[in-house]
Amino acid sequence: DTEVTQTPKHLVMGMTNKKSLKCEQHMGHRAMYWYKQKAKKPPELMFVYSYEKLSINESVPSRFSPECPNSSLLNLHLHALQPEDSALYLCASSQVGRGNEQFFGPGTRLTVL
Amino acid sequence: GENVEQHPSTLSVQEGDSAVIKCTYSDSASNYFPWYKQELGKGPQLIIDIRSNVGEKKDQRIAVTLNKTAKHFSLHITETQPEDSAVYFCAARGVNTGFQKLVFGTGTRLLVSP
Repeated sequence: DTEVTQTPKHLVMGMTNKKSLKCEQHMGHRAMYWYKQKAKKPPELMFVYSYEKLSINESVPSRFSPECPNSSLLNLHLHALQPEDSALYLCASSQVGRGNEQFFGPGTRLTVL
Repeated sequence: GENVEQHPSTLSVQEGDSAVIKCTYSDSASNYFPWYKQELGKGPQLIIDIRSNVGEKKDQRIAVTLNKTAKHFSLHITETQPEDSAVYFCAARGVNTGFQKLVFGTGTRLLVSP
């Protein structure tokens, strides 16, 4: 299985809502990533988990809260988002270490009203 | 930190022509350079990558070249087909920016006309 799955595919939420994005992989990868991608822009790294521990936080606002409950799952909890947070949220995974290919999921298209 | 520039931003070619996309990077310690293809509504897909100890790598119609001295690398697609139409991103990973952090270029929209 060489696939990263993400749910939901689309999400519309109000600024007062709490929602979660989910990511799953069964490739045995011990590094998992959240990226944010705005329209016509490249992916921007948000968080990296390595061996289920947060290793990189790119100064992301606290309204985004990542969680890695086990080596196959990655969540992104959303609370009190702003309309400018509307974007495609991509999950990726890789082996830990240098030069290891990152496999991306299809993304969750988030719209904040 | 690492900075990656990518050109051109859009590229239109006729089917069967070759396409070349170029990227430059700033961190001389960068050692891994992947290329991703992103189709509409999908996540990026790795199409080829190259490491700093290699000057060129080829996979069927796709090739990547790396010039470490000049700090630039290029994607070459030969015999382009309409299904090659997509946005292509280059990326670089520098030792000093976290061993797992990829910095992406701004993307090239490739359109292959039949």
